[in-house]
Amino acid sequence: GENVEQHPSTLSVQEGDSAVIKCTYSDSASNYFPWYKQELGKGPQLIIDIRSNVGEKKDQRIAVTLNKTAKHFSLHITETQPEDSAVYFCAASERFGNEKLTFGTGTRLTIIP
Amino acid sequence: ETGVTQSPTHLIKTRGQQVTLRCSSQSGHNTVSWYQQALGQGPQFIFQYYREEENGRGNFPPRFSGLQFPNYSSELNVNALELDDSALYLCASSTGAGGNTIYFGEGSWLTVV
Repeated sequence: GENVEQHPSTLSVQEGDSAVIKCTYSDSASNYFPWYKQELGKGPQLIIDIRSNVGEKKDQRIAVTLNKTAKHFSLHITETQPEDSAVYFCAASERFGNEKLTFGTGTRLTIIP
Repeated sequence: ETGVTQSPTHLIKTRGQQVTLRCSSQSGHNTVSWYQQALGQGPQFIFQYYREEENGRGNFPPRFSGLQFPNYSSELNVNALELDDSALYLCASSTGAGGNTIYFGEGSWLTVV
């Protein structure tokens, strides 16, 4: 089955600086890669996603890049703000038509004011 | 707003008891999945339902079962509760078209004592 590794597990960034979180996946059949933000006591909130036919996607301060050959994808947050502090999870969908997500282990991002 | 509503938000059960958790998805979301998230970990896939039929299962024993109803609501039932079942249970839904955006509810916190 699919295996997703996520690094780093914790990340502290000065407000205004950029943050990068990286994930690798094992199943070459995976074709959908969402990123979720989870605040304390809440469910995961989708912040951006990318499909295997696209190499990069951007939404305001958030961007995701995908390298299918290397089987890795990354989340980039620019101009970080205190409200960006949360746990971030990457995930991969195992095969087309299957909505099962395999999650990474999470990154606790702390923005230092 | 994800359009996915879960109930109850918190509950406490005794080991050996049974529990039913409920989820309501937005109209048109034919696929519902349930995930278990232990403290400090990423969500783990339990099973998925598509048009009221189980359509994929993770590494969970048969005492975890589910139902999906025509009105886009669903249930997760867990029998013979064990202490390790204490976790956040998340419901996720999508249109079921494959690789589509998957939205999560806020979850139900289950504590087994």
